[in-house]
Amino acid sequence: RKEVEQDPGPFNVPEGATVAFNCTYSNSASQSFFWYRQDCRKEPKLLMSVYSSGNEDGRFTAQLNRASQYISLLIRDSKLSDSATYLCVVNPDYGGSQGNLIFGKGTKLSVKP
Amino acid sequence: NAGVTQTPKFRILKIGQSMTLQCAQDMNHNYMYWYRQDPGMGLKLIYYSVGAGITDKGEVPNGYNVSRSTTEDFPLRLELAAPSQTSVYFCASSYGSLNTDTQYFGPGTRLTVL
Repeated sequence: RKEVEQDPGPFNVPEGATVAFNCTYSNSASQSFFWYRQDCRKEPKLLMSVYSSGNEDGRFTAQLNRASQYISLLIRDSKLSDSATYLCVVNPDYGGSQGNLIFGKGTKLSVKP
Repeated sequence: NAGVTQTPKFRILKIGQSMTLQCAQDMNHNYMYWYRQDPGMGLKLIYYSVGAGITDKGEVPNGYNVSRSTTEDFPLRLELAAPSQTSVYFCASSYGSLNTDTQYFGPGTRLTVL
């Protein structure tokens, strides 16, 4: 099983739609989880951290399911500007190692008018 | 603040040539990182540093070297460029541990080795 796995998409949705991405991770001891956004030919930028209780930031909701080892990102009322690749990122926390964030390959979202 | 800056933006190298990718941050961050991103793949950590004078290998360090003589700068050195090193290279920094702190990325350097 790959360490962090995402559906590559692309997800093509109309404006205003609700879209959800899932990401699975293999290391059950993983401690920290993030969603990053990467626009075409740009650098990744943190979208939101994912907390055990789930968290919401405007139209974006992130959830963590430790039992099934997956995290999700829900985007409501999609905007054209949401078009990007969404990276699932996991800190496997190998014995306190500082430098080993694991990045998924990303899920591409395209929001159409 | 300029954040994280990288130079050059683009570079084409011939096999066997060497070069240094520059990275600087003006946020007084302790932690700095170098990643490479191949097409359709996730970012892979090359090297990281937890402070001036301290560096450590990441997942894919072979063919690269780094130094951290100051808090601000974290250059990445390619000694003998190979086609397998064709990639986009991102430098990043964070104030504290990556367990909790946001990583801020530079705009990237697109490197082609022919």
